[in-house]
Amino acid sequence: DAKTTQPPSMDCAEGRAANLPCNHSTISGNEYVYWYRQIHSQGPQYIIHGLKNNETNEMASLIITEDRKSSTLILPHATLRDTAVYYCIVRVRYNAGNMLTFGGGTRLMVKP
Amino acid sequence: GAVVSQHPSRVICKSGTSVKIECRSLDFQATTMFWYRQFPKQSLMLMATSNEGSKATYEQGVEKDKFLINHASLTLSTLTVTSAHPEDSSFYICSASSPRGREETQYFGPGTRLLVL
Repeated sequence: DAKTTQPPSMDCAEGRAANLPCNHSTISGNEYVYWYRQIHSQGPQYIIHGLKNNETNEMASLIITEDRKSSTLILPHATLRDTAVYYCIVRVRYNAGNMLTFGGGTRLMVKP
Repeated sequence: GAVVSQHPSRVICKSGTSVKIECRSLDFQATTMFWYRQFPKQSLMLMATSNEGSKATYEQGVEKDKFLINHASLTLSTLTVTSAHPEDSSFYICSASSPRGREETQYFGPGTRLLVL
């Protein structure tokens, strides 16, 4: 699986959009970008994933650059409950036999 | 989404005793479950892959005789920490894959915090 690079920490004002970047310059053509988050003392929570098109769901939007070497997770209106560590993971399309490899993630602090 | 539970959520035990942690997929069947360990302020580290009806696959550096994994059914995997020592104190998290619908992803349990005295 391709290695990812994320800033260790970010701050965001409550109500504002939180834009979390991820670099994955060695991504292969069959690898997807997955985002999970982990709120303190809880298990990770799936957020979104994509291949090359931008994706949106009820939690967030995922913007992937045209060359697929980087992506941005967007939380459109951050709340205090979005304070968590966000993990960007690049891997082949999930199937039951493959695990997820977690990097350091970005610790997002949403401030009032 | 699919729900994965873990029991207990928190356990304190004496050094030298064994502790069993259960991971259940509540509303789906999981042929594969994963066990992770997380130390304070660190990321999750995969310990082993648990396959229903067969032996678990352990990551390098994880002692299979110390961390016993049993995946006896499609909804239950157990991790037993044998002869626990204080350095085994950690946050243990399981995950399971849900093959239903369009979502093909892993769902994580809430974690079990183990403290060995």
